[in-house]
Amino acid sequence: AQKVTQAQTEISVVEKEDVTLDCVYETRDTTYYLFWYKQPPSGELVFLIRRNSFDEQNEISGRYSWNFQKSTSSFNFTITASQVVDSAVYFCALSEAGGATNKLIFGTGTLLAVQP
Amino acid sequence: NAGVTQTPKFRILKIGQSMTLQCTQDMNHNYMYWYRQDPGMGLKLIYYSVGAGITDKGEVPNGYNVSRSTTEDFPLRLELAAPSQTSVYFCASTGSGRPYEQYFGPGTRLTVT
Repeated sequence: AQKVTQAQTEISVVEKEDVTLDCVYETRDTTYYLFWYKQPPSGELVFLIRRNSFDEQNEISGRYSWNFQKSTSSFNFTITASQVVDSAVYFCALSEAGGATNKLIFGTGTLLAVQP
Repeated sequence: NAGVTQTPKFRILKIGQSMTLQCTQDMNHNYMYWYRQDPGMGLKLIYYSVGAGITDKGEVPNGYNVSRSTTEDFPLRLELAAPSQTSVYFCASTGSGRPYEQYFGPGTRLTVT
């Protein structure tokens, strides 16, 4: 069965600190996709990144970076020089690759609080 | 494009009442989904549809029904509301083929008392 675990329920940092959000997944599929979504206090869900299982290159987008390691089934998310606007709940999600349903399995989320 | 729209934004129901949560997307997406989000529990899939006329159960379908008569609309029906259905409900859509990101609506906050 597919499963996504975000063991960190809440993280609190002070502005400008770096922070890493952990995501560990389980799947029997050899091809799959991983996602990160952000849910700010306003409540909407914002897509951040999609990664397929064949692409293990790390990705950087501004202050955001993602580390995908198939060997440890992890897809961790790092925010460099955090800002108050980064305060949100962050969800990691997993999808089958066959495209038959494109269902997402979500982790329980990590609440990040960035203090000024 | 409006993307995915949901109505209402908020609703309070009494136990035993019924209601329909509306969801519409204007991106011509084949795939649509309903999730519920409970505090600290992430998002759980209620029902999904891979095209007009086709629906299937997700992880937590009990107490809900759906229909998909058009590509654009995917309403979620709550029959005999119970306090356990107090939650935030999100509708999402995506294209068919390899998994692209799902586009989410703004959510409906439902309280059953």
